[in-house]
Amino acid sequence: DQQVKQNSPSLSVQEGRISILNCDYTNSMFDYFLWYKKYPAEGPTFLISISSIKDKNEDGRFTVFLNKSAKHLSLHIVPSQPGDSAVYFCAANNIRAGGTSYGKLTFGQGTILTVHP
Amino acid sequence: DSGVTQTPKHLITATGQRVTLRCSPRSGDLSVYWYQQSLDQGLQFLIQYYNGEERAKGNILERFSAQQFPDLHSELNLSSLELGDSALYFCASSASGLRQETQYFGPGTRLLVL
Repeated sequence: DQQVKQNSPSLSVQEGRISILNCDYTNSMFDYFLWYKKYPAEGPTFLISISSIKDKNEDGRFTVFLNKSAKHLSLHIVPSQPGDSAVYFCAANNIRAGGTSYGKLTFGQGTILTVHP
Repeated sequence: DSGVTQTPKHLITATGQRVTLRCSPRSGDLSVYWYQQSLDQGLQFLIQYYNGEERAKGNILERFSAQQFPDLHSELNLSSLELGDSALYFCASSASGLRQETQYFGPGTRLLVL
């Protein structure tokens, strides 16, 4: 049961253009969402997060949009740079839940972004 | 460099064997998390420790166990290994283990079971 889905395995964009990475979730209890970037032979690196009380969060070239009714979030990178080429993971958590799921991040399968010069 | 270290980087072993993966969290972080990434899969949460105590558990197999030591480093023990256990194993740490804290990931240990 894949509760967080990234349906596009890969995305290719030209340098300077916008990259849009998408993520869908099925668990309505998720209320905190994160994007991680991963280069080969390295661990995932935190990029940006958003709480369910917001619908947008911006950090420099990175903006995350959350559509709760559609259970959909997206990461926009503007402008895209060749150094952004990496695997991007969407992750979700429930920060108000109790029980044994305290620290659990649920990840999507990842999208490989390639930015061409 | 996240400040989280994992050893070894690579591990090749045979079915039925037992291995131990080691993780040192960032300086000052009290919470450690373990994740497994199999081929074409996202990271699957295994277990979380906070200051030596188990805090949260995911779908961790009974053949797998973990612990966090007084110096806060953590070990993940995988026993009776099967071919399907071949994966990347990541350790992450955070300051207090709170849900909204950023988790910082190590470079991972690549395990190959032959």
